[in-house]
Amino acid sequence: DAMVIQNPRYQVTQFGKPVTLSCSQTLNHNVMYWYQQKSSQAPKLLFHYYDKDFNNEADTPDNFQSRRPNTSFCFLDIRSPGLGDAAMYLCATSQTSSQFFGPGTRLTVL
Amino acid sequence: RKEVEQDPGPFNVPEGATVAFNCTYSNSASQSFFWYRQDCRKEPKLLMSVYSSGNEDGRFTAQLNRASQYISLLIRDSKLSDSATYLCVVNMKNAGNMLTFGGGTRLMVKP
Repeated sequence: DAMVIQNPRYQVTQFGKPVTLSCSQTLNHNVMYWYQQKSSQAPKLLFHYYDKDFNNEADTPDNFQSRRPNTSFCFLDIRSPGLGDAAMYLCATSQTSSQFFGPGTRLTVL
Repeated sequence: RKEVEQDPGPFNVPEGATVAFNCTYSNSASQSFFWYRQDCRKEPKLLMSVYSSGNEDGRFTAQLNRASQYISLLIRDSKLSDSATYLCVVNMKNAGNMLTFGGGTRLMVKP
């Protein structure tokens, strides 16, 4: 089945220790997104790629970086995680106006 | 003012009840509208798109009022499995594929 896959599903890291979250898709969609979602809040867009074109939201901290080496894969790098970065990180893809989400990676920062 | 506003709830209803959620959006240039469902600690999943003429999918009916910038979702004959958070989502014209999410309305269906 065509889908959006995120690894790992759960990630524990230490304060300040870099972490990379991965997303892959078999939908062949040209747009990929990374969202951060905290408890009882709406998903917050961090950045997105339209093909290889990277688009950063104005309020996304510099601590968050992303890479998209090819159509299928996209990575979220958190260079120095703080306690406030503990959240669910959602990857999504789209071809038209609706988006399809992966299952998310729940990040815990100790 | 938030771009997409929803009553956060929770709405606590008995099985079999009919429940309605409302959503307002601030940008009159909004073009596409959706309801997503999100279960606890899971990802949002597209429930249905919302069309100007209104649309129905089984027990779910969505309505759009462009003049009032208002979207609704009606759930008839609520099931325990309908318990989730319902996100009102808007795509604005000229925003490409960018979506703006409401804060979600939590529904709890009780036996």
